[in-house]
Amino acid sequence: GAVVSQHPSWVICKSGTSVKIECRSLDFQATTMFWYRQFPKQSLMLMATSNEGSKATYEQGVEKDKFLINHASLTLSTLTVTSAHPEDSSFYICSAPDGGLAGDRQTQYFGPGTRLLVL
Amino acid sequence: RKEVEQDPGPFNVPEGATVAFNCTYSNSASQSFFWYRQDCRKEPKLLMSVYSSGNEDGRFTAQLNRASQYISLLIRDSKLSDSATYLCVVKGGGGFKTIFGAGTRLFVKA
Repeated sequence: GAVVSQHPSWVICKSGTSVKIECRSLDFQATTMFWYRQFPKQSLMLMATSNEGSKATYEQGVEKDKFLINHASLTLSTLTVTSAHPEDSSFYICSAPDGGLAGDRQTQYFGPGTRLLVL
Repeated sequence: RKEVEQDPGPFNVPEGATVAFNCTYSNSASQSFFWYRQDCRKEPKLLMSVYSSGNEDGRFTAQLNRASQYISLLIRDSKLSDSATYLCVVKGGGGFKTIFGAGTRLFVKA
């Protein structure tokens, strides 16, 4: 099946630094990728939809200047957490639809996630 | 009201038991429905897709009731390895947006 990778898998950083997370579709092209955040014992919350070649679409309450998204190619999307603070500590997961079926029937494949800890 | 609601559990069942989870969704225009499994500190993995009136895959059966806007997941002959959080996922109704339920935690004990 389709494979999505994320890098890095773990990040520990000081408050105020910026952290970049990469999401790659390894064996398929993805014009759209999704970024989620999951706090402990909570469900995944969609942060933004990354669109190749255009601006990302952010969900309500997600600061676009705080979470910069770049989708420069059909296989790579990056999420940069700018000036990270302890409250940004979370599990960040990306996903991409496989494109094998149309629209709503596309299966989403998830990256393994990135754990961010901001001290 | 949440767009997708699940009973958070936890469900504690012995090995071999049958357990059922329900999930309700609020958007009647939703088109696709899925059950994902998420193990602790891991990413969600697709368990089953539910497109029409339901489907079955081994010990797992998923049902969709569009009129009442709910889907269910039935696990028969539970195994220890079934212990995980099961996420109800609803998609569609005007775009690629995918909405996750909060998940139902299952513990299968020997």
